[in-house]
Amino acid sequence: GAGVSQSPSNKVTEKGKDVELRCDPISGHTALYWYRQSLGQGLEFLIYFQGNSAPDKSGLPSDRFSAERTGGSVSTLTIQRTQQEDSAVYLCTSTSGRGGNSPLHFGNGTRLTVT
Amino acid sequence: GQQLNQSPQSMFIQEGEDVSMNCTSSSIFNTWLWYKQDPGEGPVLLIALYKAGELTSNGRLTAQFGITRKDSFLNISASIPSDVGIYFCAGPAPPMKTSYDKVIFGPGTSLSVIP
Repeated sequence: GAGVSQSPSNKVTEKGKDVELRCDPISGHTALYWYRQSLGQGLEFLIYFQGNSAPDKSGLPSDRFSAERTGGSVSTLTIQRTQQEDSAVYLCTSTSGRGGNSPLHFGNGTRLTVT
Repeated sequence: GQQLNQSPQSMFIQEGEDVSMNCTSSSIFNTWLWYKQDPGEGPVLLIALYKAGELTSNGRLTAQFGITRKDSFLNISASIPSDVGIYFCAGPAPPMKTSYDKVIFGPGTSLSVIP
C-alpha cells in the first residue's frame, strides 16, 4: 500500500510568512511524529500524536510552531512568522505501534527554505 | 535532556571493507534502533534490539545491544556502494512512558563507499 506522503516536497518562503506542511500517514497507523533535520544534522523530535491521547509537544522549539492531527489521520505542521533558522527538512513518520517496538515509516520530507 | 552520541561522524571506506560504528548515551535505554537514510529520502529501520547483550543480524549488518544498556554497535561487512547513506541510532527516550514512545535519534554517521 501507499507509504507516508508529505506535501509540498519543497517550500520556499519569505521571512515572516506562515507555512503549513502536510502529512498523510499510512492508513491505520495510530502514532504520528514530526521531526526536523537541519543540514548535516540528526533528527530533532518536534511532536508526537498517539491515538486520541494528548500530543507530546515537548520538542516544539517555540510558540510559532504548532501541529494538529485531524480525525486521527492527516496532520498539519504550521510555522508562523518563519525565521531563517527554520530552514530544514521536516520529516513526518507514522507507526502502528509505539515507535520503540514497531518500525517508523518516514515520508520523504518537506524541504523548507526561508529567505 | 537525553542525548545520543554517534561516532565516527563520517567515514570514507573502500568497497569490500568492513565498517563499525557506535552509539552511546549517558542514560540507560531499553531499546536500541538503527535506521539508515538514503539521500533525499526518510530513514528506514535496519535493526531493532530489545535486550542487553543481544546480537542481531540482518544480512551483512550486525548490531549489538551493549551490556551497560548505554551503548550499541553496528557493523557492516563487505561494504558495497549502496551502503552509502547516513546511519542513525535511535531509541525511546527514558524515562519511558506507559502509553507511548518518544523516539529520539542520534546525530548520525555518514558513510561513503569508494568503488
